[in-house]
Amino acid sequence: GENVEQHPSTLSVQEGDSAVIKCTYSDSASNYFPWYKQELGKGPQLIIDIRSNVGEKKDQRIAVTLNKTAKHFSLHITETQPEDSAVYFCAGSTGGGADGLTFGKGTHLIIQP
Amino acid sequence: NAGVTQTPKFQVLKTGQSMTLQCAQDMNHNSMYWYRQDPGMGLRLIYYSASEGTTDKGEVPNGYNVSRLNKREFSLRLESAAPSQTSVYFCASSEAWGANSPLHFGNGTRLTVT
Repeated sequence: GENVEQHPSTLSVQEGDSAVIKCTYSDSASNYFPWYKQELGKGPQLIIDIRSNVGEKKDQRIAVTLNKTAKHFSLHITETQPEDSAVYFCAGSTGGGADGLTFGKGTHLIIQP
Repeated sequence: NAGVTQTPKFQVLKTGQSMTLQCAQDMNHNSMYWYRQDPGMGLRLIYYSASEGTTDKGEVPNGYNVSRLNKREFSLRLESAAPSQTSVYFCASSEAWGANSPLHFGNGTRLTVT
């Protein structure tokens, strides 16, 4: 089955700097890659996703890039703010149902004032 | 519009006790899911219901049962709780059955089994 590796497990950046979280996947058939943000005491929430026919997608301060050849994808957050502090999960899917969605183990992003 | 509501928020059980975690969604979604979240393990799928009237096992179903009571409600039952089931449990729903359909999560139930 699919295996999704996520790095780093913890990332601390100064407010205003950029943050990058990286994920690799094992199944070359994977074609959908969502990112979820989990704030303390809450459930994960989808923040951005990308499909395998697209190399990059942006939404205001966040962007996701996908390199199908290398089988890795990354989340980029620019001009970080205190409210960006959270745990971020990447995931990969080969399609079909949501039972085919495999999550990474998460990155705890800490924004230092 | 509350989204996905889970009850209870916290629960402590003794080994061998049983309990049911409740989940309801008000978004008229077809598919519902139960995940568990453990430190350093990410989110793992326990059971899912692709549509009303169907349920299937996910990655880690042992020790659990589920019931899709109606389109809105999907419950998770622990018949004989074990310490290994200490975890945070999340219910989620999606509009359609498909990996590309975004998951909407509840705020979780934190379960401790002593």
